[in-house]
Amino acid sequence: EADIYQTPRYLVIGTGKKITLECSQTMGHDKMYWYQQDPGMELHLIHYSYGVNSTEKGDLSSESTVSRIRTEHFPLTLESARPSHTSQYLCASSEFRAGGQETQYFGPGTRLLVL
Amino acid sequence: AQTVTQSQPEMSVQEAETVTLSCTYDTSESDYYLFWYKQPPSRQMILVIRQEAYKQQNATENRFSVNFQKAAKSFSLKISDSQLGDAAMYFCAYSFGNEKLTFGTGTRLTIIP
Repeated sequence: EADIYQTPRYLVIGTGKKITLECSQTMGHDKMYWYQQDPGMELHLIHYSYGVNSTEKGDLSSESTVSRIRTEHFPLTLESARPSHTSQYLCASSEFRAGGQETQYFGPGTRLLVL
Repeated sequence: AQTVTQSQPEMSVQEAETVTLSCTYDTSESDYYLFWYKQPPSRQMILVIRQEAYKQQNATENRFSVNFQKAAKSFSLKISDSQLGDAAMYFCAYSFGNEKLTFGTGTRLTIIP
């Protein structure tokens, strides 16, 4: 399995709390991604980064924010959690290659439940 | 915009038999990449197989092989000698250049003992 880590793996939290989901990778990959996925459903890209100090919003609108201060670290923050944020959040990374192609490596995911 | 379609939300197969999962995509590009990812229940998503569009030869990885039909924009995954550990969600994905992946909606594969 790839060297990409997510913490916490499971989180139950009350409405209105601020949370940060951690993602780190030790492969030196430039590109990192956050996906939101309801159980057994498709993946929705919510944020991505092509390198340090680079962040972009994905295809699915999200109230979360991300930062990329270090290559290996790509945390996702929810300032005020709501029950609608209940989902699984997957982090992924890939290597930038001239000419294209990217094999994305996924973390184990964080299952978030907002009460 | 590129789209990836997986028309089979669920599939099942008897253990040791062969199953084929379908995927079609839409693109105007000629040189791109296609992937099949596997997501076992409560486990990490992993890459199963990858195909480069400029290669005519179908990719294979042990029991997993693809049928890549470029003109038809079809990219099916064949799993031979199905095993219980093959039970998972399977996602087809497309990538062009260094752009982000476009995923299909997934197919849930059940293995019947």
